[in-house]
Amino acid sequence: QKEVEQDPGPLSVPEGAIVSLNCTYSNSAFQYFMWYRQYSRKGPELLMYTYSSGNKEDGRFTAQVDKSSKYISLFIRDSQPSDSATYLCAFDRGSTLGRLYFGRGTQLTVWP
Amino acid sequence: DVKVTQSSRYLVKRTGEKVFLECVQDMDHENMFWYRQDPGLGLRLIYFSYDVKMKEKGDIPEGYSVSREKKERFSLILESASTNQTSMYLCASNPTGTGSPYEQYFGPGTRLTVT
Repeated sequence: QKEVEQDPGPLSVPEGAIVSLNCTYSNSAFQYFMWYRQYSRKGPELLMYTYSSGNKEDGRFTAQVDKSSKYISLFIRDSQPSDSATYLCAFDRGSTLGRLYFGRGTQLTVWP
Repeated sequence: DVKVTQSSRYLVKRTGEKVFLECVQDMDHENMFWYRQDPGLGLRLIYFSYDVKMKEKGDIPEGYSVSREKKERFSLILESASTNQTSMYLCASNPTGTGSPYEQYFGPGTRLTVT
């Protein structure tokens, strides 16, 4: 079983839709749960992170973690064409080496 | 402003050539990483380094080596390039010892084509 599973999509939605992106993981040692956003021809950038189970909101974005089910989600409300990108989940074991464990990424297109 | 730069955006090499990909960060970060990114496979870690002259294998080190002679510079070396090494290569860095999460800062990537 892979440590991180993420459906690569692609996902195509109309502007204004609510988007749900998900990852599952198997490693109980993961402590931080992160979402990166990668625009075409760019490197990934951190979008948001959470530490514990529950929700964290940042504008139109909500990150949700369910540690008991080993499942994380990213919700995008009122999606915009500028949200079109690849979204990668990432996990941190808290090691000082700073290594992260990434999902495959989900490619999202929001059309006007 | 945080900055990770990579020596080339696009590179075309022939099979069997020795290829050097350079990465420089200006943030005084201890940790540096090399990934390759392929459609459907996502980001896969090749090698990482947590200090000058120190390195650790990632998930797919075969066919690659690395060099870190200075803190700010991390090089990825393809000893004898093969067509299955055609990919997008991404470099990243992050600091250590400041507490999780260890956000990684990525460069823009090098698109390598081996013919």
